[in-house]
Amino acid sequence: NAGVTQTPKFRVLKTGQSMTLLCAQDMNHEYMYWYRQDPGMGLRLIHYSVGEGTTAKGEVPDGYNVSRLKKQNFLLGLESAAPSQTSVYFCASRRTGGGYEQYFGPGTRLTVT
Amino acid sequence: TQLLEQSPQFLSIQEGENLTVYCNSSSVFSSLQWYRQEPGEGPVLLVTVVTGGEVKKLKRLTFQFGDARKDSSLHITAAQPGDTGLYLCAGSGSARQLTFGSGTQLTVLP
Repeated sequence: NAGVTQTPKFRVLKTGQSMTLLCAQDMNHEYMYWYRQDPGMGLRLIHYSVGEGTTAKGEVPDGYNVSRLKKQNFLLGLESAAPSQTSVYFCASRRTGGGYEQYFGPGTRLTVT
Repeated sequence: TQLLEQSPQFLSIQEGENLTVYCNSSSVFSSLQWYRQEPGEGPVLLVTVVTGGEVKKLKRLTFQFGDARKDSSLHITAAQPGDTGLYLCAGSGSARQLTFGSGTQLTVLP
C-alpha cells in the first residue's frame, strides 16, 4: 500500500515551458487535491476533484489545469511556467464521509528560472 | 474566504519546556485538524476536533477547540527534539475543502 505518490520529486523549468505533475493514490479515495506550499503561507489549494471526471477551482487556480480521467490519478499541468510558480506542490486525497483527514504525497519541488 | 491565522510563526525552545501554538479565525469551522510536517515530506494528521470546547490529548500534546469553533490551540508539555517540525492547523468549512493556517515552525533544542 503506497498511499499517495507524486512524480517527479524535483524539476527545473525555464519560463514558458510546460510540464505535468502526476499524483496517484491506491486507497480508492474519491476526493483528490493539489496544493502549493510557499514559505510563510501554509498550503494553498489550487484545484480539487470530488470524483473521476470532475474538477473544480480552489483558491489559486490561475496558470494551472487539472484532469481526473481515472479515479486513482490526478494530474496538474502548467502550460506556460512562470517564476511565480516556483513552489513545492503537494497532492492529497481523502475518502468520502466523516473525519475529512487528507493523506498527502511527499511533494514535488518545482523551480522556474 | 475563510482565513486561519497561526501564531507564533517561529518558535525555538529548549528540551523540556512547554509551549502553546494558536490558530484563530473570524469564521466558524465544522471541524479543525492539526497536521505536522517534517522536511521533505507531506503533512501528517495529528488530530481532528469537531465539538466546540473539545479537548483531545495525544501523549504530551493537548489540542483544544474553542467554544465558538473559531479557534484552536496546541499545547506541548516537556517538548523533545523529536517534536521539531512545522505544525499546521486546517479548518473544514465545507465538506470538500480545508483552509490551512500559515504554520508554526517549531525547533526543540537538545
